[in-house]
Amino acid sequence: GAVVSQHPSWVICKSGTSVKIECRSLDFQATTMFWYRQFPKQSLMLMATSNEGSKATYEQGVEKDKFLINHASLTLSTLTVTSAHPEDSSFYICSARGTSNYGYTFGSGTRLTVV
Amino acid sequence: SQQGEEDPQALSIQEGENATMNCSYKTSINNLQWYRQNSGRGLVHLILIRSNEREKHSGRLRVTLDTSKKSSSLLITASRAADTASYFCATALRGATNKLIFGTGTLLAVQP
Repeated sequence: GAVVSQHPSWVICKSGTSVKIECRSLDFQATTMFWYRQFPKQSLMLMATSNEGSKATYEQGVEKDKFLINHASLTLSTLTVTSAHPEDSSFYICSARGTSNYGYTFGSGTRLTVV
Repeated sequence: SQQGEEDPQALSIQEGENATMNCSYKTSINNLQWYRQNSGRGLVHLILIRSNEREKHSGRLRVTLDTSKKSSSLLITASRAADTASYFCATALRGATNKLIFGTGTLLAVQP
């Protein structure tokens, strides 16, 4: 079945630094990638949607200059959290959608802790 | 933004009992999906029901969809301690991007 590899699975960084999270679709072409954030004991909140080769579309309230999304190829999308602060500590999950009608494949998530 | 509200927020039952979770959503959808998440882990896709379907079964899972009421339910029969997890409904919105929006979730605890 379709697999999305997400790395790293966890990362600890200092305030003010930037962190890059990668999601790769291993056996299908991800035409659309969705990025979610999940705070403890809460649901997944959609941050942005990106189509390969296009600029990402951000949800209301999500700072596009802080959360940089790149979807330069059909198998790779990255989320960069710039100038991270402790309040950015969260669980980040990607989801890729290929050409099938209904399939969404999720990465295993990245737990980001900013100290 | 949150598309769906789920209830109950938390549910505690004994092993062997059935668990029912409800999901309500706001806008037109292509399909509705249910996911499971163990604490701090990734998501596991459980079942998908299309907007033109009313009921679907998969093992011990039964999902219903009422598009007129914009609601869905997930029934887990003969629950096991291993079913303890958070359960989320997610709606695939109509439109070019088919965004998948998650509900608020139900935390299920199955006591052995």
